[in-house]
Amino acid sequence: EDQVTQSPEALRLQEGESSSLNCSYTVSGLRGLFWYRQDPGKGPEFLFTLYSAGEEKEKERLKATLTKKESFLHITAPKPEDSATYLCAVQERTGRRALTFGSGTRLQVQP
Amino acid sequence: NAGVMQNPRHLVRRRGQEARLRCSPMKGHSHVYWYRQLPEEGLKFMVYLQKENIIDESGMPKERFSAEFPKEGPSILRIQQVVRGDSAAYFCASSSKAGGPDEQYFGPGTRLTVT
Repeated sequence: EDQVTQSPEALRLQEGESSSLNCSYTVSGLRGLFWYRQDPGKGPEFLFTLYSAGEEKEKERLKATLTKKESFLHITAPKPEDSATYLCAVQERTGRRALTFGSGTRLQVQP
Repeated sequence: NAGVMQNPRHLVRRRGQEARLRCSPMKGHSHVYWYRQLPEEGLKFMVYLQKENIIDESGMPKERFSAEFPKEGPSILRIQQVVRGDSAAYFCASSSKAGGPDEQYFGPGTRLTVT
């Protein structure tokens, strides 16, 4: 059974204080690892797809990286508007298209 | 707006009533997924559909829940005889790719409250 564990559960940063969120996964063959952002009361917003170990993707202050066992979401010089819950999900290679999500990291960036 | 649409956004039902949740996928997308987010829990997969076919319903409770995606019109998630434990946010997602990892784009969700 696929498993996704995210840490920390919650993170409070000062504006400009860089940090990383962790996503550890167990899957029987990885088809893709996905990062989403979710604001309160809204649906998850797609951020990145990572396909293979060593891959990196960047978008504004966010950079996602992937190894064979985990993924990191690096946040550089965050701003208050980056406050949200960040979700990690995996899709296995078997052809099953369901995403298995972690429970997320709640990020709060204080001005 | 070409995004995934869901309605209603909020739905209140009394125990024993039926709930119908609707989802229109993004334009050009033919794959629809339903997920449930219980309070203080993560998103859990329920069912995956293509037009007129249920492809994977491994996450769907065996009783009271059903889903369809007809040839014309939105996908429907139907919950019969709702109970308080059905209170949750229900999200629909859609994607377009038939092979390879596919990005699933989510709608704003329907928040179901059972009183």
